[in-house]
Formats: sequence, structure tokens, C-alpha cells
Amino acid sequence: DAKTTQPPSMDCAEGRAANLPCNHSTISGNEYVYWYRQIHSQGPQYIIHGLKNNETNEMASLIITEDRKSSTLILPHATLRDTAVYYCIVRDPNSGNTPLVFGKGTRLSVIA
Amino acid sequence: GAVVSQHPSWVICKSGTSVKIECRSLDFQATTMFWYRQFPKQSLMLMATSNEGSKATYEQGVEKDKFLINHASLTLSTLTVTSAHPEDSSFYICSARPSIGGLGTDTQYFGPGTRLTVL
Repeated sequence: DAKTTQPPSMDCAEGRAANLPCNHSTISGNEYVYWYRQIHSQGPQYIIHGLKNNETNEMASLIITEDRKSSTLILPHATLRDTAVYYCIVRDPNSGNTPLVFGKGTRLSVIA
Repeated sequence: GAVVSQHPSWVICKSGTSVKIECRSLDFQATTMFWYRQFPKQSLMLMATSNEGSKATYEQGVEKDKFLINHASLTLSTLTVTSAHPEDSSFYICSARPSIGGLGTDTQYFGPGTRLTVL
């Protein structure tokens, strides 16, 4: 079962920042937070991951609260191509060959 | 880097026939591959874990005799849907975890998916 809670949907105006929240109140000390997204009729795409420090890459920023019970994925300047379902997943990378378990995610609609 | 391909991207078949879907890691070796299924407007559901050189591990409720998985090499896993029926129509997605390297924290890379329609 997914260990995260996300809002089912969000809208964002094109060019504005999209802030996608995720609650993971039962996260354990060894678990990382991963974010993936799935554009319609495509496979999931890795976005970013983090343990406890904020992370930034060319796609997005990840802000993790100090208690690690929640996080926010930030797309700084959303475009129409960012319309997708965004999945927040927690996993211990040292847990062997266990797969990523997907919850329902957040459907982000970027509006022109 | 870290590209996973699937073939075919879509397939239409008659009820009762078998369909084979290939999943390849193009630029890395993958000891472990995973197969997911996704119905319309639903999330990805794990079907099975495929380990190179050994039998696949199936999730509860997934018929191993219906969904045959073969992982004969470090870059190829196949899923064969045997005696397909309309209820097997779905989006099948594979993913692979690099045996070495990757992003350093166990990242899975996903294929583009295969849409199966059974008439």
C-alpha cells in the first residue's frame, strides 16, 4: 500500500509555480522521498528524490519538512507540457529488490 | 542514459490469442525488472517482479500461468499474455533497476508502455 497522501487534482496557470504537496507522516528514517510523473499514455518519468535536505535539479525542487512528514514538489515555471499525474513515493533504497508502489497521485492541469 | 524500451507500443489481438511484450534496458544492465498494469484513470498496479535467471515473483491475484514472464538476460524481460480476453485490455508498463550505478539511490526507470486491446 502507498504510504503517501496527495490531493487528487490541482490546477496551475502556465508560467506560474506549481506546488504539489505530499504527506508521508509514517516515513521511516531510511526512506527517501521520490517523485515521478506520468504524462497521458506514457510510462512514469523520474523527477527528483531526497532524504532530508531540500533538493533541486533541472526539472524541479523538492522541499522536505524538518520532521520529514511532508514534502512539496515545486515546478518553478509550469508549462502546458507539465500537465500530468504526479506521484510521491517513499522507499528505502536498501530494502532489496522491492518495487516502487504507486498511489493515486495528483493530477496537475496546467492552464494557458 | 538509462533508457528502457518496450515493444510493441500497442497491439490489438483477438480473444484467445497470446501476445508477447518485450522490455529492454538499452544502456544498462538490469538484474531486476518489474511489470505493472494500468487500467484507465487508475494508478499503476504491480503485477510481478522479474529477476534475471530465476522465476518471477507474482503479486497476489495475478495468475502466473496467464502472464508468463521470462527474464533470460540482463537487458531483456518478456511478458506473454496467454489466451487473452477483453478484460486483459490494459496499459502494460515495465521498469528496470540498474544492477550497478543509476542515480545512486535505487532509481527505477520505466518503459513507455504497451497498450493492449483484446477484441
